[in-house]
Amino acid sequence: EDQVTQSPEALRLQEGESSSLNCSYTVSGLRGLFWYRQDPGKGPEFLFTLYSAGEEKEKERLKATLTKKESFLHITAPKPEDSATYLCAVQEAGGGNKLTFGTGTQLKVEL
Amino acid sequence: NAGVTQTPKFQVLKTGQSMTLQCAQDMNHEYMSWYRQDPGMGLRLIHYSVGAGITDQGEVPNGYNVSRSTTEDFPLRLLSAAPSQTSVYFCASSTPDRVRTGELFFGEGSRLTVL
Repeated sequence: EDQVTQSPEALRLQEGESSSLNCSYTVSGLRGLFWYRQDPGKGPEFLFTLYSAGEEKEKERLKATLTKKESFLHITAPKPEDSATYLCAVQEAGGGNKLTFGTGTQLKVEL
Repeated sequence: NAGVTQTPKFQVLKTGQSMTLQCAQDMNHEYMSWYRQDPGMGLRLIHYSVGAGITDQGEVPNGYNVSRSTTEDFPLRLLSAAPSQTSVYFCASSTPDRVRTGELFFGEGSRLTVL
């Protein structure tokens, strides 16, 4: 059974204090790994797709990387508007379009 | 473009009552789906549809029915609500190509409480 584990559950940063969120996964064959952002009271918003180990994607202060067992979402010099819950999901090869989501990391960036 | 619109945003039901959560999208997306989000658990797929007239079960389909008579609408029906169905429900849509790349477009959610 596919498993996705995100850590930490919650993270509090000062503005400008860079850090990383972790997503470890267990699938028999990875088709894709996806990052989403979810603001309170809203639906998730798609950020990135990663397909193979070594791949990186960037968007503003966010950079997602992928290894064979985990993905990292690096946040460089975060701002308060980066505060949100970040969700990771995986899609298994041969599993159709089914996404397995992790429980998320709740990030709060303070002034 | 309104995107994905869910109604109602909040609903309280008594055990055994029935109701329908509405989902409409104006992006001409063929793929539509329903997820539930519970504390301490990841989003879980309830039902999905790859086009009008076609529906299929997801990970947690029991207690829920769906139909897809038009491309735009994908209602989720609870026939006899149970407290275990207390959750936040999200509708998501996408194109066939974007589903393969994991890119779903979510609505803002419907928070359901079953007493």
